[in-house]
Amino acid sequence: AQSVSQHNHHVILSEAASLELGCNYSYGGTVNLFWYVQYPGQHLQLLLKYFSGDPLVKGIKGFEAEFIKSKFSFNLRKPSVQWSDTAEYFCAVFNTGKLIFGQGTTLQVKP
Amino acid sequence: GAGVSQTPSNKVTEKGKYVELRCDPISGHTALYWYRQSLGQGPEFLIYFQGTGAADDSGLPNDRFFAVRPEGSVSTLKIQRTERGDSAVYLCASSFGPKGSPLHFGNGTRLTVT
Repeated sequence: AQSVSQHNHHVILSEAASLELGCNYSYGGTVNLFWYVQYPGQHLQLLLKYFSGDPLVKGIKGFEAEFIKSKFSFNLRKPSVQWSDTAEYFCAVFNTGKLIFGQGTTLQVKP
Repeated sequence: GAGVSQTPSNKVTEKGKYVELRCDPISGHTALYWYRQSLGQGPEFLIYFQGTGAADDSGLPNDRFFAVRPEGSVSTLKIQRTERGDSAVYLCASSFGPKGSPLHFGNGTRLTVT
């Protein structure tokens, strides 16, 4: 069965620090990849997605992710985090009609 | 426009009772998904509908769980003989189809079984 693994469960950063959250998936075929974000008290929102083409994908709020097929990875990055980026981040792979999520990473940004 | 609406937002029930959770998807979205999220975990797939039919119900944990979407729009997740282990946030999402269109999520229903 397909699975998604997020390496960091809880990350604490100071404002302006750089961010990289790891994501690996197990499926070897064509994949559609996503990062979702859940701000405190809000619903899951799409941050960015990769379907095909340029492996470096840019999303909202300055986030980007790089698809590395050989490593089965889709890591999320942001050069300089803000306090408002405090949230839970989920990597997901779309396969056989459904979205499979990783366990999530809680990001806490200290002002 | 309106997003995915889930009602109730909170539901507390006693062990053994029956509950129904409702989801109103975004108008025009043909695919509808149900997920369950426990504390500290990612959303866990339960079932998805393409139109009125359940295209994949492989995530339903047992036969106490059932979902319907009779007219291809609103969906109801039904849980019989609830158990304390069913306590979680139940999320509904909709999209334009099963081909990888991004899912739009509702705020969820927090179910607590006492």
